[in-house]
Amino acid sequence: GAGVSQSPSNKVTEKGKDVELRCDPISGHTALYWYRQSLGQGLEFLIYFQGNSAPDKSGLPSDRFSAERTGGSVSTLTIQRTQQEDSAVYLCASSLSSVQETQYFGPGTRLLVL
Amino acid sequence: SQQGEEDPQALSIQEGENATMNCSYKTSINNLQWYRQNSGRGLVHLILIRSNEREKHSGRLRVTLDTSKKSSSLLITASRAADTASYFCATDHTGGFKTIFGAGTRLFVKA
Repeated sequence: GAGVSQSPSNKVTEKGKDVELRCDPISGHTALYWYRQSLGQGLEFLIYFQGNSAPDKSGLPSDRFSAERTGGSVSTLTIQRTQQEDSAVYLCASSLSSVQETQYFGPGTRLLVL
Repeated sequence: SQQGEEDPQALSIQEGENATMNCSYKTSINNLQWYRQNSGRGLVHLILIRSNEREKHSGRLRVTLDTSKKSSSLLITASRAADTASYFCATDHTGGFKTIFGAGTRLFVKA
């Protein structure tokens, strides 16, 4: 079946603009995760959605970052007033139920803030 | 700081040799997973080992877990040029809600 998809693949924006990144998880997966990866670095956890529970937002780096998950499926990560340090690859993953399951990753969105 | 930390940061070997990567973590875990990443894009799950397991095999991969030392190792036997990638360990700790990834080991296998 279809894997996790993300759009856009690449995004170039100007400093100060808002951007929206989209993630379509695998159908039936109740858990969804967003990570950020700077060049040559490891993954930085951003936010975790599990079913109808309140999301774990503990990894969001500032109040410019927000995410929502509508209908328990598609998720959007929004970055307001982008800064150059926001440039990174944003990875989305989903798993069947919880963090104890294998996570399936999307191809990522490469964001460049000029 | 990251829960999982891999070492070495980078490893270069000849095709056919074995590659060993290590991961250390700080708090009690439910399970530990190893992932592979090519070209800075999405990660691919390799193997999951639960906290009550000590060793697991999958093809040319062998993973060990020592909960007393809070460490794990990933061994790739008979490496191939196609194994060139970054390898990450990920842990979800007891009572936690998120998976923590280390900074990864960059493996380069020379043909």
